[in-house]
Amino acid sequence: GAVVSQHPSRVICKSGTSVKIECRSLDFQATTMFWYRQFPKQSLMLMATSNEGSKATYEQGVEKDKFLINHASLTLSTLTVTSAHPEDSSFYICSAPDRGPTYEQYFGPGTRLTVT
Amino acid sequence: ILNVEQSPQSLHVQEGDSTNFTCSFPSSNFYALHWYRWETAKSPEALFVMTLNGDEKKKGRISATLNTKEGYSYLYIKGSQPEDSATYLCASPDKYGNKLVFGAGTILRVKS
Repeated sequence: GAVVSQHPSRVICKSGTSVKIECRSLDFQATTMFWYRQFPKQSLMLMATSNEGSKATYEQGVEKDKFLINHASLTLSTLTVTSAHPEDSSFYICSAPDRGPTYEQYFGPGTRLTVT
Repeated sequence: ILNVEQSPQSLHVQEGDSTNFTCSFPSSNFYALHWYRWETAKSPEALFVMTLNGDEKKKGRISATLNTKEGYSYLYIKGSQPEDSATYLCASPDKYGNKLVFGAGTILRVKS
């Protein structure tokens, strides 16, 4: 199956700093990628849809100036958490969809962000 | 807005018990139904992708059925083992087929 990587797997940063998370499709091209966040004891919450060559589409309640998404190429999307606060600490996962009719998603391994 | 619901929210069973849980979704504009097994802080593991009404899929001790007319899918685990403990997520593409909408998940805990 297709492989999606994420980097870093874990990051600890101080309040007020920005953190960039990369999501790469390793053996296929992805014009669309998705960014999810897991809140404690909750399911995956879709944050935004990253679109290659155009602006990301954010879900309701997600601050676009806070979570900057860039999809500069067909294999790379980045999520930058700007001016991070402790409440941004979470597990962030990206995924890229299969181009077939079932829209199967290939997930990255996730990034654990801790803001101190 | 596509609403995918799962029940129960959590389940505690003894090793060896068989169990099942439900995923409900709108029957209109149906594309596909996905089941994932997810351990916290790890990447979700795809179990099944189901598209046809009446479809039944099996992977080891885990199987799933699909009823697109009434809008539900069941996931069954036969002879539960402690390693089956995880959150089981179902998801369905939205009406534009652009993104997966996930249910809240069913947390399964299997006691040995």
